[in-house]
Amino acid sequence: EAEVAQSPRYKITEKSQAVAFWCDPISGHATLYWYRQILGQGPELLVQFQDESVVDDSQLPKDRFSAERLKGVDSTLKIQPAELGDSAMYLCASSPGLVSDTQYFGPGTRLTVL
Amino acid sequence: AQSVSQHNHHVILSEAASLELGCNYSYGGTVNLFWYVQYPGQHLQLLLKYFSGDPLVKGIKGFEAEFIKSKFSFNLRKPSVQWSDTAEYFCAVNDGGGGADGLTFGKGTHLIIQP
Repeated sequence: EAEVAQSPRYKITEKSQAVAFWCDPISGHATLYWYRQILGQGPELLVQFQDESVVDDSQLPKDRFSAERLKGVDSTLKIQPAELGDSAMYLCASSPGLVSDTQYFGPGTRLTVL
Repeated sequence: AQSVSQHNHHVILSEAASLELGCNYSYGGTVNLFWYVQYPGQHLQLLLKYFSGDPLVKGIKGFEAEFIKSKFSFNLRKPSVQWSDTAEYFCAVNDGGGGADGLTFGKGTHLIIQP
């Protein structure tokens, strides 16, 4: 069964450093999402892509976060500089792109900022 | 803006007990509704979803949920739980009108089934 791939699975960094996370969606999925999940909370949407275009980045802290999906396939989420409050699980999800499709989640990247 | 409220953060049940997890949402437009589950050490996976039609939806592993529009609710039920149902359960909604359809999640319910 096809899965969403994410790397790295764990990342420890120091405050003010730059970090990047990578996501490879299920093959053929046009829509890609990045979510952040703080311990004890549900995931919160950061950004949604349709192919290479941003559909919704209203919750992305654009002063330090950036996301790209240049060729409409895999995607990178970057934080620069990282802050202590960024410690969380970063989840990637993809869907085929039809209206109201199921979103399939990857295993996530656990970020710890020291 | 959408919001989702899950009534119980932690639930402990014995095997064979019946389960009902509450979920209420706040949104004025058309919504799609979901329950996701996260088993220990695994990814979030879909249990069931409601888009339209019959408000009683059946999902995997014997779970079902009922959409009650007048109460803005989408409660999850299972008549007899098993130890393997121990997991974190999330209710989620998105805009059913198309376009931006990122999910809004509740805070989750940690379910523990005692043998």
